[in-house]
Amino acid sequence: EVQVVESGGGLVLPGGSLRLSCVASGFSFSGYWVTWARQAPGKGLEWVASTNEDGRVKQYVDSVKGRFTISRDNAMNSVFLQMSSLRAEDTAVYYCVSEYKSGHWGQGSLVTVSS
Amino acid sequence: QAVVTQEPSLTVSPGGTVTLTCGFSTGAVTSGHNPYWFQQKPGQAPRTLIYDTTNKYSWTPARFSGSLLGGKGALTLTGAQPEDEADYYCFLLFGAARVFGGGTKLTVL
Repeated sequence: EVQVVESGGGLVLPGGSLRLSCVASGFSFSGYWVTWARQAPGKGLEWVASTNEDGRVKQYVDSVKGRFTISRDNAMNSVFLQMSSLRAEDTAVYYCVSEYKSGHWGQGSLVTVSS
Repeated sequence: QAVVTQEPSLTVSPGGTVTLTCGFSTGAVTSGHNPYWFQQKPGQAPRTLIYDTTNKYSWTPARFSGSLLGGKGALTLTGAQPEDEADYYCFLLFGAARVFGGGTKLTVL
């Protein structure tokens, strides 16, 4: 069975850090670009970051550049999002999705930034 | 970063046909933007319906199709079903960067 599972979300103080993990099973992440997207409460989807198949190419939305880092470990079939200097406006459900012929989404991980 | 535009809302009758579009603020959407389409129902994670303009997945209902239409990406639903009521998002690639459209709320009524 194909599954994508995100974890690592939670409540964090403004200025704090969190590391999200995304683990795939039933298929290999290694052949695909993987994207992190987020959805604030009641809002649409927003692209956050993407990385290519071997992790050498990384790109970020302007609002998270310098604060978030995407990485991957193909041996562990995993992609990560290290988030630092978190702000209230980063509060959202964070999803990872494999692109192209894969097209699999996780169920999301809620990140709440609040004092 | 680029602004990707979609109709905020559309309504289709059961059994009817509707086309959702995906525009780009400063030019035409082309196959080079590799348009994707996602469906999201309330309380659920999104799921991918279309990739690279026209390609479907094994789980994509046959009544959905993707295309380019008049300089925009397009998702056409032919023979709408009540279960197709959802939010639909397009997604364009700009090299390594990506952008989601604002989403279309589709009502089947």
